[in-house]
Amino acid sequence: GAGVSQTPSNKVTEKGKYVELRCDPISGHTALYWYRQSLGQGPEFLIYFQGTGAADDSGLPNDRFFAVRPEGSVSTLKIQRTERGDSAVYLCASSPTGASVQETQYFGPGTRLLVL
Amino acid sequence: DAKTTQPTSMDCAEGRAANLPCNHSTISGNEYVYWYRQIHSQGPQYIIHGLKNNETNEMASLIITEDRKSSTLILPHATLRDTAVYYCIVRVASYKLIFGSGTRLLVRP
Repeated sequence: GAGVSQTPSNKVTEKGKYVELRCDPISGHTALYWYRQSLGQGPEFLIYFQGTGAADDSGLPNDRFFAVRPEGSVSTLKIQRTERGDSAVYLCASSPTGASVQETQYFGPGTRLLVL
Repeated sequence: DAKTTQPTSMDCAEGRAANLPCNHSTISGNEYVYWYRQIHSQGPQYIIHGLKNNETNEMASLIITEDRKSSTLILPHATLRDTAVYYCIVRVASYKLIFGSGTRLLVRP
């Protein structure tokens, strides 16, 4: 079946601009996660959705970052007033329920964001 | 979540076993050991996980010491496509994966 997809695969923007990154989880997965990966580092947790609601947004670095999942499926990560330090790969993952520590998270290929 | 320590890089010859160590000396009794890998320009891929017993699947084997303070991921017959960064994660919260810097494995022809 189809895995997690993310669009766009690459995004180049200018400092100060607004960007939206989209994630399509595996069909039927109620749990969705966003991570950010800087060059040479492991992914860092940003936010976790359980259905439509953000159950944990403690990893969002500041109020320029916001994510939504209005219908409990597709999610959009929104970054306002982008800064050069926001350049990274933004990864999305999903899992069936998010309720078990033994549940595998399935990752998408990521969106590579470059802020000039 | 407990901290993990992994070597920065390793290499092995194609066709040989790759043994990737991980130290997690502060692991608690209810924390699982997870392994993911990330091939260049792709998202992380789940490999295997375990609590205290050794585990094996079609990709790899996971050996956890009796005191659970360390573990080893074994790729029995490494291929060039196994070249990747391998992450050892100790996981207690159901929803959050905390990645370290991982081990960069290079499989040599």
